[in-house]
Amino acid sequence: EDQVTQSPEALRLQEGESSSLNCSYTVSGLRGLFWYRQDPGKGPEFLFTLYSAGEEKEKERLKATLTKKESFLHITAPKPEDSATYLCAVQAPGSNYQLIWGAGTKLIIKP
Amino acid sequence: NAGVTQTPKFQVLKTGQSMTLQCAQDMNHNSMYWYRQDPGMGLRLIYYSASEGTTDKGEVPNGYNVSRLNKREFSLRLESAAPSQTSVYFCASSGWGGQGRETQYFGPGTRLLVL
Repeated sequence: EDQVTQSPEALRLQEGESSSLNCSYTVSGLRGLFWYRQDPGKGPEFLFTLYSAGEEKEKERLKATLTKKESFLHITAPKPEDSATYLCAVQAPGSNYQLIWGAGTKLIIKP
Repeated sequence: NAGVTQTPKFQVLKTGQSMTLQCAQDMNHNSMYWYRQDPGMGLRLIYYSASEGTTDKGEVPNGYNVSRLNKREFSLRLESAAPSQTSVYFCASSGWGGQGRETQYFGPGTRLLVL
């Protein structure tokens, strides 16, 4: 069964304490992996797309990496404003439109 | 650009009532989507429209209908609301993200409570 699993469910860090969020997937023939950020009461905000193993993307304190079985979202020296739920999704096999979503990791950065 | 807009932001219904959730995008995207988001679960696709004039069922279409009114607008209708349809509903549209893939962009959501 195609699925996406994110871990941990929640992560509490002190400001400046770097860490990583995990997104593992069991999809044959990955065609794209997406990371989104979601703030409380708002819609998901697009962050990155990764297409092939070994690819990396960076934006400010965030860096996304991809292997054949999982993706990591590395957060370097986070600030309280990085607190949000981070969602991972993969392109469903055989579809240009459907995504398979993980349940998300809730990240809390304490000042 | 407003991006993807949704109305209403919040709605309370009684069981059996009907309502239509409205969505519009100004990014000239061909594809549009309706999702629901429930606590502890990933986003689940209700319906999508790959292009104007076409609609297709997603993972959880039962109890819902959609209309792609034109390229900009995609509405979701609940004909007879049930408490199980209490959720947050997101509309999204997708455009060309390069390398043959489309990237989805989301609206702010509609919070629906069915009593």
